[in-house]
Amino acid sequence: QVQLQESGPGLVQPSQTLSLTCTVSGDSISSGTYYWNWIRQLPGKGLEWIGYIYYSGSTYYNPSFQSLVTMSVDTSKNQFSLKLRSVTAADTAIYYCARGQSGYSYGLFDFWGQGALVTVSS
Amino acid sequence: EIVLTQSPGTLSLSPGERATLSCRASQSVSNNYVAWFQQKPGQAPRLLMYGASSRATGTPDRFSGSGSGTDFTLTISRLEPEDFAVYYCQQYGGSPPWTFGQGTKVEIK
Repeated sequence: QVQLQESGPGLVQPSQTLSLTCTVSGDSISSGTYYWNWIRQLPGKGLEWIGYIYYSGSTYYNPSFQSLVTMSVDTSKNQFSLKLRSVTAADTAIYYCARGQSGYSYGLFDFWGQGALVTVSS
Repeated sequence: EIVLTQSPGTLSLSPGERATLSCRASQSVSNNYVAWFQQKPGQAPRLLMYGASSRATGTPDRFSGSGSGTDFTLTISRLEPEDFAVYYCQQYGGSPPWTFGQGTKVEIK
């Protein structure tokens, strides 16, 4: 069974960089079968797709985050990461990592991490 | 970007009743690639349906999905106590960005 686990600081100061890592178990990122995504949920609100990274390092970011987000992958550790720069209180959210299917369904998220609450506050 | 609008915002029903949730897209969804997720408090969303009408592994058959183009529906034939939750639709047709609806809460009446 595939499992994903987010980790990183729960508190980030305004204007700083939010950094999270997702560790994958039960599957190998380097298999190249799936896409690896970040999704966030603002407090009491809906879900927002941030972007994905492939095992090769290729990425696709939601234009809403384009200039502020960077994703990276470390296949040796079976991890992928998110960096979101210049955060404000509006970036306070639960951040999820999720696996995306392959082929035409690469936007279908079948396994999710439990989520990491990140609060932006001084 | 495709905008998904879910209705109603909240559905108040009793166990054993039928629930009908709607998801309308601002433009046609390629290949009817619409998924439905269930989210309970403190948990991550769980994939229920994909391709508008296919059940994900472990989804009970009281859940069914239908629709095409811009109008999609999730139906729960008879509500069980564990079905009271928030439900989100998501489109993953064509190129990103992929988007979610704002959610429908199914609460106990």
